[in-house]
Amino acid sequence: KNEVEQSPQNLTAQEGEFITINCSYSVGISALHWLQQHPGGGIVSLFMLSSGKKKHGRLIATINIQEKHSSLHITASHPRDSAVYICAKENDKLIFGTGTRLQVFP
Amino acid sequence: DTGVSQDPRHKITKRGQNVTFRCDPISEHNRLYWYRQTLGQGPEFLTYFQNEAQLEKSRLLSDRFSAERPKGSFSTLEIQRTEQGDSAMYLCASSLARGIGFYGYTFGSGTRLTVV
Repeated sequence: KNEVEQSPQNLTAQEGEFITINCSYSVGISALHWLQQHPGGGIVSLFMLSSGKKKHGRLIATINIQEKHSSLHITASHPRDSAVYICAKENDKLIFGTGTRLQVFP
Repeated sequence: DTGVSQDPRHKITKRGQNVTFRCDPISEHNRLYWYRQTLGQGPEFLTYFQNEAQLEKSRLLSDRFSAERPKGSFSTLEIQRTEQGDSAMYLCASSLARGIGFYGYTFGSGTRLTVV
């Protein structure tokens, strides 16, 4: 069993839809990270969470420490949101999930 | 500071050859990480340094792989006797150690290795 599990693996949406990506992790962590990766490889950090909820623009990330679960929400999705979204747990270093490939169509 | 730089961006090599990649982290970051990513997978941890000390190595890092950070600044990752299974994107990231000033990880654009 992977230390970090993400679902779904692939997600397609129509522009404007509300999107949720889920992440579950094993054992305790210093923090849970959400990152975005575009074709070509570049990885950008979106959120770092140790409790509660964070919001940045149309992106919202939540974490439930007791249930070892986090979600990333995208409100009013747009084609430019198309990317791979990866969650990673942190314990001195990041351990990544396999990622969720999101495609948003106009 | 221009972020984390990796060189080269792409490398094609013949099986059996040695290759070396370089990573220049953000200058004030004392931690440097190497990851490997294959198609459709998330990055896999290889090793990390704090200053010049290599603090952890993954079991993925076989004897053919070696990483150094001699002066606590840039790092090199060498793969000896490359195999086709080594074909992947090699990613470098840097951060401050947790504590005062930690604000997350910054990733380089990666080195894509193709072994033919």
